[in-house]
Order: sequence, then structure tokens, then C-alpha cells
Amino acid sequence: GQQLNQSPQSMFIQEGEDVSMNCTSSSIFNTWLWYKQDPGEGPVLLIALYKAGELTSNGRLTAQFGITRKDSFLNISASIPSDVGIYFCAGIHGSGNTGKLIFGQGTTLQVKP
Amino acid sequence: ETGVTQTPRHLVMGMTNKKSLKCEQHLGHNAMYWYKQSAKKPLELMFVYNFKEQTENNSVPSRFSPECPNSSHLFLHLHTLQPEDSALYLCASSQVGNSGRGDTQYFGPGTRLTVL
Repeated sequence: GQQLNQSPQSMFIQEGEDVSMNCTSSSIFNTWLWYKQDPGEGPVLLIALYKAGELTSNGRLTAQFGITRKDSFLNISASIPSDVGIYFCAGIHGSGNTGKLIFGQGTTLQVKP
Repeated sequence: ETGVTQTPRHLVMGMTNKKSLKCEQHLGHNAMYWYKQSAKKPLELMFVYNFKEQTENNSVPSRFSPECPNSSHLFLHLHTLQPEDSALYLCASSQVGNSGRGDTQYFGPGTRLTVL
């Protein structure tokens, strides 16, 4: 099935550093979502983006819906140890009733205290 | 987070067993989903239910049988599974038909299934 290209696949950073990850696609999306998954748990929604060019923050997290509608990025500022986990982007082509998310492969983040 | 709950959290079963996974959403949503998450693979959509009707079966083997008795509950009945079916099974819900924002899905904590 279709996938989003998410990069990087993994990151190992020092506490306090900023983090940036992104997702790209060859097709247009109407919605971009960013999730975080801790080991053994389900993905938790971090940020939802519904409009091209939209820039949304959630605490130290900021995400943007690319102008072309084919990409999105997530930034984490001043990382802390509890930011460790796997971050997934997900896109939706249509609006309303499609019910299908297309997921990226995930970015595994490790933070060294 | 109690919006979407799943039970059991962990399940070990033999290939000849029959078991069921349960999902309940407390968000008032009208759509529910089953996903499979295997190690090193993206989430795989298995089934979609809108208003209790199955609208998607993503070529899932018949040894997985979903049931949606109402818009708040979703089950996944398992029988004669294979070891390669071992994975994290995630349930999600959303409110579709909501001005284009309906497909924002909220996930449960998952059931870690091991098939021996």
C-alpha cells in the first residue's frame, strides 16, 4: 500500500537539543497528523493540521502543513528525556468519510540526559 | 488517557485457541478501526466500521473476524492464528462527517498478542 516517506528513521540527541523530522509524499493530502508512540502503548495524537501552510504548536512541539500539501514537518524544541519514543506522521487524502490514514514509517527518537 | 480502552493488554494463545479482543471508545465517535502493528513495519489498517457497518476489509485473513455491535464497541475474534500473527493490535475511533476533520483518529493502548 501507499506509504509516506518519513525521515530520519532514527535520531540520537543530547538533552536540550532541538529536533526536526519530516514526511513527504508524491500525492496531495488534506490532513496531516503527528502521533507519538511509547513502547507497548498506542499512538497518541500530538498535532493535527487541516490547512495548507498551517503552523500549529503544542507546547514545545511545532508542526507545519506544507504549502504544496505533499509534506509536513514536526519540530521539538529543547528536548527532554521523556520525548523518547517513536513519532509517526499520517496523512489523509480526502475529507470526511474516507477513514483511511496513510502512515509514515516512524522516527525513533532517543535523548541522552 | 481513557478515551479508547482495549482489553486485554496482553494475550498469549496457542494456534488452536479461540480468543477475542475488545475495544471500547468513550468519545462519542461513529467510526472504529482495527490496526495491526508488527515490529519494523508501519501500522496496517485491517478493518473500518462506520456507523456499525463494515466499510473496509483490507484483505485480512478469515481467521480474524471483527464484530461491531454498536458504535462504542468493537471486537476482534481470533481463531487458528499463526505465529506470524503475533503483533500489537490497535483499535482507534474517529468522528467522520465532521467538516473534513472527521478522520482524526484516536488510538487505544493496544493488545500485545503472542501466538505460540
